[in-house]
Amino acid sequence: NAGVMQNPRHLVRRRGQEARLRCSPVKGHSHVYWYRQLPEEGLKFMVYLQKENIIDESGMPKERFSAEFPKEGPSILRIQQVVRGDSAAYFCASFRGGVQETQYFGPGTRLLVL
Amino acid sequence: AQKVTQAQTEISVVEKEDVTLDCVYETRDTTYYLFWYKQPPSGELVFLIRRNSFDEQNEISGRYSWNFQKSTSSFNFTITASQVVDSAVYFCALSRGDNFNKFYFGSGTKLNVKP
Repeated sequence: NAGVMQNPRHLVRRRGQEARLRCSPVKGHSHVYWYRQLPEEGLKFMVYLQKENIIDESGMPKERFSAEFPKEGPSILRIQQVVRGDSAAYFCASFRGGVQETQYFGPGTRLLVL
Repeated sequence: AQKVTQAQTEISVVEKEDVTLDCVYETRDTTYYLFWYKQPPSGELVFLIRRNSFDEQNEISGRYSWNFQKSTSSFNFTITASQVVDSAVYFCALSRGDNFNKFYFGSGTKLNVKP
């Protein structure tokens, strides 16, 4: 996974609480992607960010979900008022940029909503 | 639109058997990239291979081999002499050859290798 860090690795929340997932990309990478993996399914694209900008959020639910990648610090995926259907593994991928480069995936955060 | 289909939901084999995991993709792009990832029970994604659309040469890496055929839009993965440690979910993925680099994943094939 080439140095992409995600924390926490496991997160338990009760319905209605907020979940904050953090992703620290590979040093020098300024692009971050978030993917969601529902149980027994493949990964689905959620959002693509470059430093301080959201480039593509076509895969992110319009309500309760938000993402940011500030100039300093990790990228944050925030889920407000979580529901049981939000239980999933959330993967972050880091990318340097350029068509010849590829993404490096983090270990994922497993969110369980009780 | 981009789409990746892994029709085999689950495969069970006995150790030392060969097994092929199928992957069929759809894209109108002329430049694209294909990937295989392994997801063991621990949950992380392990990168196996990346292939660009202009390179149709088959690749072999130890017990793993990949067969890329543009004529059938397929990128199949074969494990020779399977081992119990190969048990995992395997994902095929496609990315467009543009700056957005968004990945489109198949639904995965769960491989069970029994001793």
